[in-house]
Amino acid sequence: DADVTQTPRNRITKTGKRIMLECSQTKGHDRMYWYRQDPGLGLRLIYYSFDVKDINKGEISDGYSVSRQAQAKFSLSLESAIPNQTALYFCATSVGTSGRPGETQYFGPGTRLLVL
Amino acid sequence: SQQGEEDPQALSIQEGENATMNCSYKTSINNLQWYRQNSGRGLVHLILIRSNEREKHSGRLRVTLDTSKKSSSLLITASRAADTASYFCATAWSYGKLTFGQGTILTVHP
Repeated sequence: DADVTQTPRNRITKTGKRIMLECSQTKGHDRMYWYRQDPGLGLRLIYYSFDVKDINKGEISDGYSVSRQAQAKFSLSLESAIPNQTALYFCATSVGTSGRPGETQYFGPGTRLLVL
Repeated sequence: SQQGEEDPQALSIQEGENATMNCSYKTSINNLQWYRQNSGRGLVHLILIRSNEREKHSGRLRVTLDTSKKSSSLLITASRAADTASYFCATAWSYGKLTFGQGTILTVHP
């Protein structure tokens, strides 16, 4: 979805390096999410944010941190990258105003990360 | 874990045939959603069915939900080569969050 953009699209880094993946959205949504996808597996939730002041850990947050700089921006950082963090990372958004659990999510194109 | 399990893991059919994918889950849900992913790209939402609904249609897609069996199915009728993709079910069981299954890889041969 062009309304959700991720940078960079591809990144190669070395073990121990700090890297940041960025997500921006023009959908005006309150809620943003970071997922990782490994080959043959579904998506696993890393962190999510329901508004600028609300950050929550997902099921696999160890080794990651996030920053919600504005309603439209949500960044994921790997403080010290390790090879098993090699994966495809997706940012997603949802409306957040319906009051209903589990709204439709809109995904960015993904960032392919390789940690050597 | 709430994670859904999808069956089959891979499905190969000819153009014009119907494709059926199944999803099972473990605990009560608010809704269940199906997403599509073209190779290495972002997921695209296809359809959402709420826990009080039993069947829903969208174009060539038909989704059923059986909460007593904790299962759902996605039927794509008259498949086309362009339907080749991975299909994921996602269960909504906690406020604002989805849990995704491992997906079914569908290949439609021209």
